[in-house]
Amino acid sequence: ETGVTQSPTHLIKTRGQQVTLRCSSQSGHNTVSWYQQALGQGPQFIFQYYREEENGRGNFPPRFSGLQFPNYSSELNVNALELDDSALYLCASSYTSGGAEWEQYFGPGTRLTVT
Amino acid sequence: DAKTTQPPSMDCAEGRAANLPCNHSTISGNEYVYWYRQIHSQGPQYIIHGLKNNETNEMASLIITEDRKSSTLILPHATLRDTAVYYCIVPRFGNEKLTFGTGTRLTIIP
Repeated sequence: ETGVTQSPTHLIKTRGQQVTLRCSSQSGHNTVSWYQQALGQGPQFIFQYYREEENGRGNFPPRFSGLQFPNYSSELNVNALELDDSALYLCASSYTSGGAEWEQYFGPGTRLTVT
Repeated sequence: DAKTTQPPSMDCAEGRAANLPCNHSTISGNEYVYWYRQIHSQGPQYIIHGLKNNETNEMASLIITEDRKSSTLILPHATLRDTAVYYCIVPRFGNEKLTFGTGTRLTIIP
């Protein structure tokens, strides 16, 4: 069973640029969630994708967008990067079946630095 | 998500049981208690979850009080690799979003 993978592991961008982060979900999972973790804080929910559609969004502006592909992998896109976007971006996959129990399995994260 | 309260930090001697408490007094009857941990510079790791019965897996045990207003995560024989931030989370029913608070920073002491 392959775990959640993310690429790249580290990235440095300049303010105003755009970035795309990628995530491959764990085998058998159909839902992907993205989180932002600033230094010294807990992860903050950005949004979730299920069946290729956004299924919930946290308090993040529209310049944060995402995609989920038929193979359940996902991308997180951030436009017009700001210095405060510097953070660890975490992807988590899970299996949604309509029940009440679900565990999310996290990837190692992508460390984004905006200068 | 139901609000959870955890102590900010705890120490535990290596080889001893680590008992991490969590209060969740506003939990609803159909909401589960989840525990995750985050080792420095890694993604969070799922540990265990439960509804009302005590649960045990290869990593830990979860004890939930009868009124479900609090729970305790037990690491039976703590090792140095268990040093991490531990998060107790009660997601709103039907909502997969996880709301991470500040957690408990557990330090295992040799």
